[in-house]
Amino acid sequence: QKEVEQNSGPLSVPEGAIASLNCTYSDRGSQSFFWYRQYSGKSPELIMFIYSNGDKEDGRFTAQLNKASQYVSLLIRDSQPSDSATYLCAVNLVKTSYDKVIFGPGTSLSVIP
Amino acid sequence: DAGITQSPRHKVTETGTPVTLRCHQTENHRYMYWYRQDPGHGLRLIHYSYGVKDTDKGEVSDGYSVSRSKTEDFLLTLESATSSQTSVYFCASHPLAGSLIEQFFGPGTRLTVL
Repeated sequence: QKEVEQNSGPLSVPEGAIASLNCTYSDRGSQSFFWYRQYSGKSPELIMFIYSNGDKEDGRFTAQLNKASQYVSLLIRDSQPSDSATYLCAVNLVKTSYDKVIFGPGTSLSVIP
Repeated sequence: DAGITQSPRHKVTETGTPVTLRCHQTENHRYMYWYRQDPGHGLRLIHYSYGVKDTDKGEVSDGYSVSRSKTEDFLLTLESATSSQTSVYFCASHPLAGSLIEQFFGPGTRLTVL
């Protein structure tokens, strides 16, 4: 089992719809969770992080965390064509000497005008 | 944006040759990382550094070595390049330890090994 798994997609949604991106992780010691957005040919950029169970909202983005189910999701409301990108889920597992960040394979999102 | 640059941005080389990629950051970040990104695999950690001359292996370190002689520079060397090392390489850094870290990424280096 991979440490961090995501649906590879591509996920296509019409403009204005809600896009739902899912991520599961295997290590129950994971402490914090990140969503990065990566446009084609560009480097990843952080859009959300969450460390407590429940929802965290930032503008059109909502991150949801359920540690019991080892599940984290990202909802994008009112999706725009500019949201078309690959979304990387990352999990931070604090080890003794360093922070180990494991990335999932990413989900490609396409927002259709 | 954090000041992280990578050089070269693109490189084509032949199998068996050594290759060195450079990551340079102007943020005085203590922690630096080298990742490779391949379709279907996301970002995989090659090596990381938690201070000058302090480095350790990541999950895909075979065939790679690193050096960090100054805070601002983190070098990745492919000792004898192979076609399986064709990839996009990203450098990342962050200043602090702890669970809530935001990694800042460089622009990437596209390496092709023929």
